[in-house]
Amino acid sequence: RKEVEQDPGPFNVPEGATVAFNCTYSNSASQSFFWYRQDCRKEPKLLMSVYSSGNEDGRFTAQLNRASQYISLLIRDSKLSDSATYLCVVADSWGKLQFGAGTQVVVTP
Amino acid sequence: ETGVTQSPTHLIKTRGQQVTLRCSSQSGHNTVSWYQQALGQGPQFIFQYYREEENGRGNFPPRFSGLQFPNYSSELNVNALELDDSALYLCASSLRLAGDADTQYFGPGTRLTVL
Repeated sequence: RKEVEQDPGPFNVPEGATVAFNCTYSNSASQSFFWYRQDCRKEPKLLMSVYSSGNEDGRFTAQLNRASQYISLLIRDSKLSDSATYLCVVADSWGKLQFGAGTQVVVTP
Repeated sequence: ETGVTQSPTHLIKTRGQQVTLRCSSQSGHNTVSWYQQALGQGPQFIFQYYREEENGRGNFPPRFSGLQFPNYSSELNVNALELDDSALYLCASSLRLAGDADTQYFGPGTRLTVL
């Protein structure tokens, strides 16, 4: 079983719509949680950290459920530029990152 | 941009050869982590260096080795290259204080092709 599991998608989303997806993780000792965004053939870029209380950054909302060991990301008012692969990432206390394989989002006009 | 640089950008090698990849961390960062990303997969942790010492290792064989220098730049060395080593190699730098890991920022990667 993979340590971080994600639905690979693709999620095809009309421009302006809302899309949500999540991931699950297996290590209950994980300390930190993130969503990274990766464009084709580019490096991952930090989108946002994820906190148990839930946090929002503009059109992006992330949520962590430690009891069920899942992390979610919601994108509102999708833009064409949101098309990318979204990587769910969990980290242990000394910073070893475990990545999911990514969820592909395609925003269409 | 993150301020993390990697060289070379692309590299083609043949099976059995050795390769050295380089990473310059963001100014002020003291920790470098290396990841391997095969096509269609998420990055896989190779190892991490903190203040010139290896600080954890993923499930990679000993032919993957590394160094961190006093200026906190780093090298990844791979010996006896295999076809499956073809991947994007990413380094990420971060600032580690009092044992807590901080956010990691990635360089643009080195795309290695093994023929």
